[in-house]
Amino acid sequence: KQEVTQIPAALSVPEGENLVLNCSFTDSAIYNLQWFRQDPGKGLTSLLLIQSSQREQTSGRLNASLDKSSGRSTLYIAASQPGDSATYLCAVVSSSNTGKLIFGQGTTLQVKP
Amino acid sequence: IAGITQAPTSQILAAGRRMTLRCTQDMRHNAMYWYRQDLGLGLRLIHYSNTAGTTGKGEVPDGYSVSRANTDDFPLTLASAVPSQTSVYFCASNSYNEQFFGPGTRLTVL
Repeated sequence: KQEVTQIPAALSVPEGENLVLNCSFTDSAIYNLQWFRQDPGKGLTSLLLIQSSQREQTSGRLNASLDKSSGRSTLYIAASQPGDSATYLCAVVSSSNTGKLIFGQGTTLQVKP
Repeated sequence: IAGITQAPTSQILAAGRRMTLRCTQDMRHNAMYWYRQDLGLGLRLIHYSNTAGTTGKGEVPDGYSVSRANTDDFPLTLASAVPSQTSVYFCASNSYNEQFFGPGTRLTVL
């Protein structure tokens, strides 16, 4: 059974820092991996989607990497801003269940001005 | 409408009552999903539908039912609500295996 873990559960950094959020999964047979952002009381916003054949994806200050063999993904946020404060969720689609996401429990980020 | 809408935004419900959470998308996506989000447990899949006319069970389907009469709508029904169904419910749709989420329904069962 696929399990997704995100460490740490919470992170607080000063504004301007570069930071890395970690995601690990137990079964390397994934179809893709998706990073989401969730603001308090809101829905999920898709940030980056990495297909299983890709190593990384970039969008603005965000860069996500994928290492299937080790079961890991990282989300790199450059020059963090207070507006980046949110919960970041990692989710995978296993190859045998195309379309169904399995989520980690998220990392709650606070960027202090 | 742009994207996915859910209704109601929030609801307080007495135990034993029947409740239908509505979800509509205007993106013509074939696949749709219902998740619940609970503190400490994260998001878990309740039911899904790969295309109109078909549905399937997710990780936590008990106590819930769904229907998919057309592409746009995917309602979730609680036949007889129980307090353990207090949660935030998210509907999602899928395009080329990228999922898009609605704003959620906060449900409290007393």
